[in-house]
Amino acid sequence: DTAVSQTPKYLVTQMGNDKSIKCEQNLGHDTMYWYKQDSKKFLKIMFSYNNKELIINETVPNRFSPKSPDKAHLNLHINSLELGDSAVYFCASRRWASGDQETQYFGPGTRLLVL
Amino acid sequence: AQSVSQHNHHVILSEAASLELGCNYSYGGTVNLFWYVQYPGQHLQLLLKYFSGDPLVKGIKGFEAEFIKSKFSFNLRKPSVQWSDTAEYFCAVGGSQGNLIFGKGTKLSVKP
Repeated sequence: DTAVSQTPKYLVTQMGNDKSIKCEQNLGHDTMYWYKQDSKKFLKIMFSYNNKELIINETVPNRFSPKSPDKAHLNLHINSLELGDSAVYFCASRRWASGDQETQYFGPGTRLLVL
Repeated sequence: AQSVSQHNHHVILSEAASLELGCNYSYGGTVNLFWYVQYPGQHLQLLLKYFSGDPLVKGIKGFEAEFIKSKFSFNLRKPSVQWSDTAEYFCAVGGSQGNLIFGKGTKLSVKP
């Protein structure tokens, strides 16, 4: 059983298009994250939702809009895609519980290539 | 702001060699520290984590890490690497909002 799943796994699209990436977790977690991994493998937090409420919104262009319809899902919509958006996007989840001691579980990643 | 430094960008070892990957963090207070591994084309998997207690932490696949507070370090070690350990290794510290702050990663290549 996949704990954190993402769709699609690969996404190739043209500049200017709008695309969405979906994330679902079946772990019963209440906190979900989006991370971006650039071409140099550097991972950086983009957004975090706790119980469907946005708690982290890093300096990400407002073309990126996360949406959490329920605690098990955190989708990422990207408008007007640019070449620099090409990266691997990882979703992660954890149980908020008693603080930072909970492990984050990562999805398989979505490889986005903007042409 | 918290930050993590991984000094080794790419480490190349032969099978059976010992491994130590460096990790230093910037925050002087209570920290939660993690090592994640990313095998080629795969997602990140937790190797081990430290929250408190014994500073020598044992993880999966024979990995261990030692938390040295005075050196702000959390180095990853393995006595004898295998070809299957070829991967990217990320050190991370827990952020104030429960997110992870990652180092830039160390690529490990193990020659058979």
